[in-house]
Amino acid sequence: EIVLTQSPGTLSLSPGERATLSCRASQSLHSSYLAWYQQKPGQAPRLLIYGTSTRATGIPDRFSGGGSGTDFTLTITRLEPEDFAVYYCQQYGSSRTFGQGTKVEIK
Amino acid sequence: QVHLQESGPGLVKPSETLSLICTVSGVSVSDVSYFWGWVRQPPGKGLEWIGYISASGVTNYSPSLKSRITMSVDTSKNEFSLRLNSVTPADTAVYFCARDRGDSDYWGQGTLVTVSS
Repeated sequence: EIVLTQSPGTLSLSPGERATLSCRASQSLHSSYLAWYQQKPGQAPRLLIYGTSTRATGIPDRFSGGGSGTDFTLTITRLEPEDFAVYYCQQYGSSRTFGQGTKVEIK
Repeated sequence: QVHLQESGPGLVKPSETLSLICTVSGVSVSDVSYFWGWVRQPPGKGLEWIGYISASGVTNYSPSLKSRITMSVDTSKNEFSLRLNSVTPADTAVYFCARDRGDSDYWGQGTLVTVSS
């Protein structure tokens, strides 16, 4: 089973700042099958990025994904108030697994 | 508009079977482009993938839950279901159903299932 490790656990930033979230896989992912989700309290996860770097429908372009092999990143160029949430990566190259999440909180 | 909705008991006794149904609208569960999956989230914790099923009945389950899971799909009702047997308090979680195309682009709102006597 592929294990995903996200870092940092918590990111404390101010609105307008840049956020960089990391997701490391225990083995190389097949064809970059990696997705990112945003989850707010009491809500279902929302798909942000799939295929490592493709934004899902309706996702603003301040969200971008990158990486390959075992190292992937989600970047939010300028944090808006609604972006403070928990973010999960998920691999779907070998069955499915989620990372443990990164909380982006207001500093 | 694609919509998924979970339903089922909110309280299950230890050692019994948790049963949930996901009712789908706006898309057919028979569409071969998709799988139909379940994810859970214990209170205050992260997401855990449970498994998925296709309209033809092909399944893929989490190794850690495989021995206790059964999934099924009912194309006539456009719904799919999850059964998890021999539950313990560790199975207490919000259970989400989702459309699975590798990633999951549509999710139900989630339903809290508590395992307690």
